Amino acid sequence: ETGVTQTPRHLVMGMTNKKSLKCEQHLGHNAMYWYKQSAKKPLELMFVYSLEERVENNSVPSRFSPECPNSSHLFLHLHTLQPEDSALYLCASSRGTGDINLHFGNGTRLTVT
Amino acid sequence: QKEVEQNSGPLSVPEGAIASLNCTYSDRGSQSFFWYRQYSGKSPELIMSIYSNGDKEDGRFTAQLNKASQYVSLLIRDSQPSDSATYLCAVKPGTAGNKLTFGGGTRVLVKP
Repeated sequence: ETGVTQTPRHLVMGMTNKKSLKCEQHLGHNAMYWYKQSAKKPLELMFVYSLEERVENNSVPSRFSPECPNSSHLFLHLHTLQPEDSALYLCASSRGTGDINLHFGNGTRLTVT
Repeated sequence: QKEVEQNSGPLSVPEGAIASLNCTYSDRGSQSFFWYRQYSGKSPELIMSIYSNGDKEDGRFTAQLNKASQYVSLLIRDSQPSDSATYLCAVKPGTAGNKLTFGGGTRVLVKP
């Protein structure tokens, strides 16, 4: 699956570090999403972007900061995270926000120490 | 009450048998329902969508929707070991334009 690519695949960071997750989609889609998947919890929507404009911020703490410079790229900037933020972070895209056929990337497994 | 509920499993099924997965949802206005399959260490992939009451068949998969009872189910016929995965139920609530609510997933193990 090369439609939605996420880097890095794994990330270990301390609570005082600053890091960024990257997502790139090659599907020509206009909407991009960040989801969080924690152990034994459902997928949680974090952010939605439509044509580089944020259309949803699902009550996410400010230590997570998204950036969408164009419709193909999405970043999630991380700073002063907590151990409970350790999870799999999944990027997804769709043709538009009205299209719920999400194409997911393989995710970044984040561990906060 | 969770918005979308699934039994976490694992659901153990002999090869060749039918696996039956259930999902209930709380928003009576929900209109769109989806099943995603997620292999261990991989990303979810959409396998079925259903929008109206009744059954929808696609190969060995059948989705069933009952809006009055607020449940959606997935049947996997002739289960294969390659069907071993976690199956996520997702619901588009009636009022949310672009938000899917996911259940916690049911882990299915198909034993040869």
